[in-house]
Amino acid sequence: SQTIHQWPATLVQPVGSPLSLECTVEGTSNPNLYWYRQAAGRGLQLLFYSVGIGQISSEVPQNLSASRPQDRQFILSSKKLLLSDSGFYLCAWRRLATTGELFFGEGSRLTVL
Amino acid sequence: GENVEQHPSTLSVQEGDSAVIKCTYSDSASNYFPWYKQELGKGPQLIIDIRSNVGEKKDQRIAVTLNKTAKHFSLHITETQPEDSAVYFCAAPYNQGGKLIFGQGTELSVKP
Repeated sequence: SQTIHQWPATLVQPVGSPLSLECTVEGTSNPNLYWYRQAAGRGLQLLFYSVGIGQISSEVPQNLSASRPQDRQFILSSKKLLLSDSGFYLCAWRRLATTGELFFGEGSRLTVL
Repeated sequence: GENVEQHPSTLSVQEGDSAVIKCTYSDSASNYFPWYKQELGKGPQLIIDIRSNVGEKKDQRIAVTLNKTAKHFSLHITETQPEDSAVYFCAAPYNQGGKLIFGQGTELSVKP
């Protein structure tokens, strides 16, 4: 069976510090991978989307970047965090080239102080 | 691009009553419409989905209806229970299904 792991679960960082959130998927190959952010108020905002190793699409201009160094690994990064980067970050995957279910990780809650 | 609007933003019902959440989408090429349930502090989970070749799909107390002409779809929960309390999201695909664009969410509260 397929599983998705996301860490760390919670993170408190000062403004201007770097960020690295990791996501890995097990039990499948060549998945589509996604990073969403959920700020206070519940909406799910798509940040990045990847169809393969090294292929990243950015949906919203921002202080963040994403990388996919391996087929089932997706990393969200920032060189210098802003207060507005606080939120609940969700990694997700789905099978390539389908309109099937999107499977979410348990999320990483980031607080920037 | 795709734009998904969801209403209402909050919904409070008595246990046993029905709940209806509605969404509209803008891209007439969209062909897949899922609904997700998110419990506090967790990632969203799929509860039901519908494809554009059918108008209704039902799974026990949950049903989804789709009107492609009007570009709207709805989630219906019957005989609500306290454990149905959560935030519900609709979504529609963008870019030939590669991405999912979510509605703003509906916080459903079922009161015992």
